[in-house]
Amino acid sequence: LAKTTQPISMDSYEGQEVNITCSHNNIATNDYITWYQQFPSQGPRFIIQGYKTKVTNEVASLFIPADRKSSTLSLPRVSLSDTAVYYCLVGEDDTGFQKLVFGTGTRLLVSP
Amino acid sequence: GAVVSQHPSRVICKSGTSVKIECRSLDFQATTMFWYRQFPKKSLMLMATSNEGSKATYEQGVEKDKFLINHASLTLSTLTVTSAHPEDSSFYICSARDQTVASGNEQFFGPGTRLTVL
Repeated sequence: LAKTTQPISMDSYEGQEVNITCSHNNIATNDYITWYQQFPSQGPRFIIQGYKTKVTNEVASLFIPADRKSSTLSLPRVSLSDTAVYYCLVGEDDTGFQKLVFGTGTRLLVSP
Repeated sequence: GAVVSQHPSRVICKSGTSVKIECRSLDFQATTMFWYRQFPKKSLMLMATSNEGSKATYEQGVEKDKFLINHASLTLSTLTVTSAHPEDSSFYICSARDQTVASGNEQFFGPGTRLTVL
């Protein structure tokens, strides 16, 4: 399973764009890159998933370079409610059901 | 999106007792569910993969006789913590994937169960 490395914590202010980068140097050909958000005492919530290039949805963008050894989650104009832990995951999918292994995550603190 | 529920949301028990936690996929079928454990300020740790109609697959270091998993239907998996001790106190979270979704590998997580063993 590909291991991920991301910053332990980040600080930001309301209205700013936040970019969280994740390294996954030994990502496999079949691996997807997925980001989850977790609030205290809640289960993780899916944010975005991608395989290569750029993916955008209503809450975030995901940038993946050609070598796929890293990825960047971009949160536009964060608010206080975006304070959470963000996990970057890659996983094997040989059975069709991705086994997720969580790394340390990035604790994002958004201040007024 | 798909919804996964857990019951109970919170449980307090005495040391030595067994506790059962249920994980249900409410609006989809899931042949595979996953069980995680999370200690305070720590990341989620995958405990086991629950397969409908067959034995669960446990991660290294997780005692299968301690954490019994049963996946009797396509919408229900249960985790039983047997002879619980204070060190088993943790936040237990399950997840499932909607097998009908053809693209992507999104997993849906339950809200978690807070177990406190006195």
